[in-house]
Amino acid sequence: GAVVSQHPSWVICKSGTSVKIECRSLDFQATTMFWYRQFPKQSLMLMATSNEGSKATYEQGVEKDKFLINHASLTLSTLTVTSAHPEDSSFYICSAKPGQGAADTQYFGPGTRLTVL
Amino acid sequence: QKEVEQNSGPLSVPEGAIASLNCTYSDRVSQSFFWYRQYSGKSPELIMSIYSNGDKEDGRFTAQLNKASQYVSLLIRDSQPSDSATYLCAVSRVNEKLTFGTGTRLTIIP
Repeated sequence: GAVVSQHPSWVICKSGTSVKIECRSLDFQATTMFWYRQFPKQSLMLMATSNEGSKATYEQGVEKDKFLINHASLTLSTLTVTSAHPEDSSFYICSAKPGQGAADTQYFGPGTRLTVL
Repeated sequence: QKEVEQNSGPLSVPEGAIASLNCTYSDRVSQSFFWYRQYSGKSPELIMSIYSNGDKEDGRFTAQLNKASQYVSLLIRDSQPSDSATYLCAVSRVNEKLTFGTGTRLTIIP
């Protein structure tokens, strides 16, 4: 149980284009999903917290107009990188949390590797 | 001061020995503690979660928590080459986001 999928697993795009990444919880309903970014040899950096049906909460320094997050259902959240540039190239990972409370763990998707040319 | 600190390593351990990974945290109100394993190029995978002081065992893995000392550790018994990875310690308050350490790179030497 507790499987999270991401699509696509990798994407290459031209500078200036937009890219959408999907995150799905396959066998549970996720009240909260998180989006992380990880650069090579660095730890995970939380970009935003997404709750179903409400606006995402962005971490300091993350441009909400550039990284659009939609959490339309309890099993799907999307991250759109708008007008991508080479510095946006990174490993984007989502995670999902089944419910409320301290006992709930975050389960991670397999990640999406974005390369912007 | 970093919120969650880990020795970056690399930590090298002979196959079959015990690997000991340590983590300290600064937020005294933290309630949930996790160890994730991350292979190169992959996303983190949950290894252990612990919420109460003491030890929690799961197979070859034992997590140890000491809230008074703000310290959490992970022991891996009978280390295998497949245990070679980066281990991330993560801490959170109730219903809040995870704060990750920078990870410890573990290498098991055959």
